[in-house]
Amino acid sequence: ETGVTQTPRHLVMGMTNKKSLKCEQHLGHNAMYWYKQSAKKPLELMFVYNFKEQTENNSVPSRFSPECPNSSHLFLHLHTLQPEDSALYLCASSQVVGASGYTFGSGTRLTVV
Amino acid sequence: GESVGLHLPTLSVQEGDNSIINCAYSNSASDYFIWYKQESGKGPQFIIDIRSNMDKRQGQRVTVLLNKTVKHLSLQIAATQPGDSAVYFCAESVFGGSQGNLIFGKGTKLSVKP
Repeated sequence: ETGVTQTPRHLVMGMTNKKSLKCEQHLGHNAMYWYKQSAKKPLELMFVYNFKEQTENNSVPSRFSPECPNSSHLFLHLHTLQPEDSALYLCASSQVVGASGYTFGSGTRLTVV
Repeated sequence: GESVGLHLPTLSVQEGDNSIINCAYSNSASDYFIWYKQESGKGPQFIIDIRSNMDKRQGQRVTVLLNKTVKHLSLQIAATQPGDSAVYFCAESVFGGSQGNLIFGKGTKLSVKP
């Protein structure tokens, strides 16, 4: 257990479904991130939150909608996804943005059918 | 958590031997580098980091070497054990930069033969 918990661990959804991924950390970190890890690309940064404020959206399609209600929780809302969105979605946190190593969760394995 | 299908470079070593995993980074402005280990079914796990004002840093059984001239980073694992089998990623960033994001390499799969 790394201190960053992601749920669910596995998710299968249809292209018309709406689902949400959840990430929770109680490490006292102020920065949280969503990364996408797919079979054909290296880890890709999606979103960065610093003190609950979104500081970066790395050209992510609007069918992915992040939410950060507080420094400990991060959500990724999914809507009308495509099969190519199937991937491992990883949440990470760090004390501050860009500093020191990130702590990653175990990820949510998403399959879009 | 494995990067299946990415055709990762693979390093196969005998248990007890030393392993060296290499990484070329792209941004000459990067001044902070991290090595991560990712085991199957898990997220990446921090191993060791190094700032650009250093060229070597040692941890427990691991050493990271940085050559800024050729933008090259390496991870040395001493006395490799079966539990070291995983995919290893290097990551670069500008420390404390406004973007704050890490840029990850594609990874190297380390297989340890007993």
